[in-house]
Amino acid sequence: AQSVTQLDSQVPVFEEAPVELRCNYSSSVSVYLFWYVQYPNQGLQLLLKYLSGSTLVKGINGFEAEFNKSQTSFHLRKPSVHISDTAEYFCAVSSGGGADGLTFGKGTHLIIQP
Amino acid sequence: ETGVTQSPTHLIKTRGQQVTLRCSSQSGHNTVSWYQQALGQGPQFIFQYYREEENGRGNFPPRFSGLQFPNYSSELNVNALELDDSALYLCASSLERAYNEQFFGPGTRLTVL
Repeated sequence: AQSVTQLDSQVPVFEEAPVELRCNYSSSVSVYLFWYVQYPNQGLQLLLKYLSGSTLVKGINGFEAEFNKSQTSFHLRKPSVHISDTAEYFCAVSSGGGADGLTFGKGTHLIIQP
Repeated sequence: ETGVTQSPTHLIKTRGQQVTLRCSSQSGHNTVSWYQQALGQGPQFIFQYYREEENGRGNFPPRFSGLQFPNYSSELNVNALELDDSALYLCASSLERAYNEQFFGPGTRLTVL
């Protein structure tokens, strides 16, 4: 079985400051890792994904994440946030086979303060 | 290229009723997954359909069922609705079963009274 823990339910940060959203996972098999963003009253949009290869993954809107196998982490970072980044962020894991779907964390609400 | 669409947007039902939610997958995608997102929670995997067959299922009872049609659109049916079924239901489509990327629709908000 797989699980995802997002350590912070809310992260307030000032505009133009850096931010890190934390994600830890557990799985008995190799995993694929994802970060999704959800704006109010909308579906999920993929920010970035780790499938294999380089452990530093760059995504859309200036976000990046680093896969750390030894610490079973996949933290999301952005060097300078904007008001428009205010949203709910979800970390997800998959074994890749498809039959077990994506397992999501409970989400982190990123609040950008002017 | 048309994205994933879902209908209806909102729905209100009473306990014990049945509901059908619909999803049109992105052009060229043959795999559809359904998720339930309760308020304040992350989405939970209900099941996946690949080429009209159920390909995998999460921890949901049999009263949650689905269909996939030859054009790869999909339905989620829920029988004997319970109050706890109130949630946002998300459909996601992908190319084949692999997780290169799942494209999510905007969801259907179901309220059970």
